[in-house]
Amino acid sequence: GAGVSQTPSNKVTEKGKYVELRCDPISGHTALYWYRQSLGQGPEFLIYFQGTGAADDSGLPNDRFFAVRPEGSVSTLKIQRTERGDSAVYLCASSLGAGGGHEQFFGPGTRLTVL
Amino acid sequence: GEDVEQSLFLSVREGDSSVINCTYTDSSSTYLYWYKQEPGAGLQLLTYIFSNMDMKQDQRLTVLLNKKDKHLSLRIADTQTGDSAIYFCAESIGNYGQNFVFGPGTRLSVLP
Repeated sequence: GAGVSQTPSNKVTEKGKYVELRCDPISGHTALYWYRQSLGQGPEFLIYFQGTGAADDSGLPNDRFFAVRPEGSVSTLKIQRTERGDSAVYLCASSLGAGGGHEQFFGPGTRLTVL
Repeated sequence: GEDVEQSLFLSVREGDSSVINCTYTDSSSTYLYWYKQEPGAGLQLLTYIFSNMDMKQDQRLTVLLNKKDKHLSLRIADTQTGDSAIYFCAESIGNYGQNFVFGPGTRLSVLP
């Protein structure tokens, strides 16, 4: 079956612009996660959705970052007034249920470059 | 805050065993994980261990957990060139184990 997909695969934008990154989780997965991975580092947790609600957004670095999942399936990560330091690979993952006992399936990521 | 540490590089000969080590700080971790990331590919879960276990074996993979020292290791037996990748240790924390903290990754190079 289809895995987690993310679009676009690459996004180049200018400092100060607004971007949206999309994640399509595996069908039926209620839990959805966003991570950010900078070069040479491990993924950094941003936000976790259980269904439509953001159950844990403690990893969002500041109020320029926002994510939604209005129908409990597709999610969009939104970054306002992008900065060069936002350049990274943004990873999405989904799992059947909440919490650590459920395997997270990762998408291929969106590479964001802010010039 | 929570922190997961790993050595950044490991080089082994094909056929030898590889041991990748990890230390973590949050004693409330419920699960600990090993993920593999190959160039151009997404993160793939290799194995995980529940925090009340000491060891888990899965084919060529052996995970050892020392909860007292907050030390986790992954042993790969008979390492092959296809095992060359970056290996991430991770712990799940939070009320539901929903917040995953990853280490920086260990780049494993397997020499022929």
